[in-house]
Amino acid sequence: DIQMTQSPASLSASLEEIVTITCQASQDIGNWLAWYQQKPGKSPQLLIYDATSLADGVPSRFSGSRSGTQYSLKISRLQVEDIGSYYCQQAHSNPPTFGGGTKLELK
Amino acid sequence: EVQLQESGPGLVKPSQSLSLTCSVTGYSITSNYWGWIRKFPGNKMEWMGYISYSGSTSYNPSLKSRISITRDTSKNQFFLQLNSVTTEDTATYYCARTMMDVMDAWGQGASVTVSS
Repeated sequence: DIQMTQSPASLSASLEEIVTITCQASQDIGNWLAWYQQKPGKSPQLLIYDATSLADGVPSRFSGSRSGTQYSLKISRLQVEDIGSYYCQQAHSNPPTFGGGTKLELK
Repeated sequence: EVQLQESGPGLVKPSQSLSLTCSVTGYSITSNYWGWIRKFPGNKMEWMGYISYSGSTSYNPSLKSRISITRDTSKNQFFLQLNSVTTEDTATYYCARTMMDVMDAWGQGASVTVSS
């Protein structure tokens, strides 16, 4: 299975701050990478697919990027509604696998 | 707008089978792929498998001997059965619409505890 190493595991940031979460794939997955947001008490929601494409309805302050086998999710100006957990997931090889998650809190 | 909702027992005894139903509205399960994902206490997430628009299935090899995903197209529902459960199967179980192995719509989740 492809291993997805996500960091940091937890993150405390201030409103309007830039936040970056990264995922390292254990092998080449191309652009087959998705990011999900899970707000407290809610189900996960797709944020980004194909490493850089924003899902429908996702605010433009979210963006995804790739450098080799490292993937990043950036929130350009943190808002209170962005608090929750974030997961990366590779969609390149069966079985799809997830990163360990990042819990984002307000400072 | 597609909506998914999981239902089933919240408590299952060890060695028994876990059975969940995912009811889908707003979209036909004869299109796309429909999967199950679980989130363990401690937040690890695991893809369990899917059933396709044609009824074919794909399972996580880690579960292959215990898992079955089936469907009832007349009710627009699909089902998860996980056999011989242990306490390590305690998790929140999500059903989701899957497109190219990306889950673009999720149910609200069903919490299942395995305990005697």
